[in-house]
Amino acid sequence: QVHLVQSGNEVKKPGASVKVSCKTSGYTFTSFAITWVRQAPGQGLEWMGWINNYNGYTNYAQKVQDRVTMTADTSTSTAYLELRSLRSDDTAVYYCARPSAAGTVDFDYWGQGTLVTVSS
Amino acid sequence: QSVLTQPPSVSAAPGQKVTISCSGSNSNIGNNYVSWYQQLPGTAPKLLIYDNNKRPSGIPDRFSGSKSGTSATLAITGLQTGDEADYYCGTWDSSLSVVFGGGTKLTVL
Repeated sequence: QVHLVQSGNEVKKPGASVKVSCKTSGYTFTSFAITWVRQAPGQGLEWMGWINNYNGYTNYAQKVQDRVTMTADTSTSTAYLELRSLRSDDTAVYYCARPSAAGTVDFDYWGQGTLVTVSS
Repeated sequence: QSVLTQPPSVSAAPGQKVTISCSGSNSNIGNNYVSWYQQLPGTAPKLLIYDNNKRPSGIPDRFSGSKSGTSATLAITGLQTGDEADYYCGTWDSSLSVVFGGGTKLTVL
């Protein structure tokens, strides 16, 4: 079965960086992109970007493009999200998700979520 | 402010039918497939509908989707208390980004 397992919750101070991992299993890692979505407390889903795990191509949301880096380690089938210069409004649950087929936005596999809290 | 517009909340009694709308534009819904997600409190979203009206394996046929022009609709029939959740629509945008609706909270009275 397909599994996406994310790293644990984080508490960071404003201005710091955070790196969240998403370890995948049960499928060929390089055949599907990984998308990152975040959800602030009590708010809706916000797409952050995606990475093509085959060639490393990325596409980031305009809102975070200056502060975010998505990478993939094909040797461990793990995707990473790094967010820099953290602000209080970056406090959210961060999810990784995999589409049901290449090139689609039907995310049928999700990680369990990683809560990132930004607080002084 | 979300790119796709959904009503903040809808409600209906058990056994009844409810519909949730999702309004966009030609740069997103008008030229792309729409997906719908159900999110129960404290859990990750779950794919309910893809390609406008298809259900993944295991999703009951009480859930259905449709699309017309730049709007999409999720319909849920035979409402159950377990359907109480937040529902989100999502699709591609012309900039190769993914856009979501703001979410709709379903209350089963």
